Amino acid sequence: GAVVSQHPSWVICKSGTSVKIECRSLDFQATTMFWYRQFPKQSLMLMATSNEGSKATYEQGVEKDKFLINHASLTLSTLTVTSAHPEDSSFYICSARGAGGQYLEQYFGPGTRLTVT
Amino acid sequence: QKEVEQDPGPLSVPEGAIVSLNCTYSNSAFQYFMWYRQYSRKGPELLMYTYSSGNKEDGRFTAQVDKSSKYISLFIRDSQPSDSATYLCAMKLGSARQLTFGSGTQLTVLP
Repeated sequence: GAVVSQHPSWVICKSGTSVKIECRSLDFQATTMFWYRQFPKQSLMLMATSNEGSKATYEQGVEKDKFLINHASLTLSTLTVTSAHPEDSSFYICSARGAGGQYLEQYFGPGTRLTVT
Repeated sequence: QKEVEQDPGPLSVPEGAIVSLNCTYSNSAFQYFMWYRQYSRKGPELLMYTYSSGNKEDGRFTAQVDKSSKYISLFIRDSQPSDSATYLCAMKLGSARQLTFGSGTQLTVLP
């Protein structure tokens, strides 16, 4: 149980284009999803928290117009990096948390490596 | 000062050794304490979590929380090369959904 998937696992895009990353909870309903960014040899930096059907809450310093988050259903959240630039290249990881029981903790997806050329 | 401090390592040990990984924290209100294992280019995997002070054991892994010292530890017995990964401690307030992570310790177990 508690499987979270991400798609794609790896993406290369040109500067100025937009990229969408999907995060799915496969065997539980995720009332809350989190999006993190991780630079090499560094810890996870929380970008935003989203609850199903609500607007995401962004952490300080994260541009909400650049990193669009949609949590349209209890099993799917998407992160769209708009007008990507090379400095947006990073490892993006989502996590999901259920409403109760064993799914109270955060379970992480495998991550998406974004390279912007 | 960071809320959670973790020695980044790298830590290299021979196979079979006992490994001790540690984190200190400054916010005494933290109630839940987790350890995640992250293999290279993968998302973190929840290893163990504990509530408040005490020990919790799961196979070769033991998590220890000392709230009076604001110190948590993860012990790995009979370490294996497959344990080579980055270990992240994380903690949260009782009512919070967000986690506060340490910076991670990179562990290599040599065969």
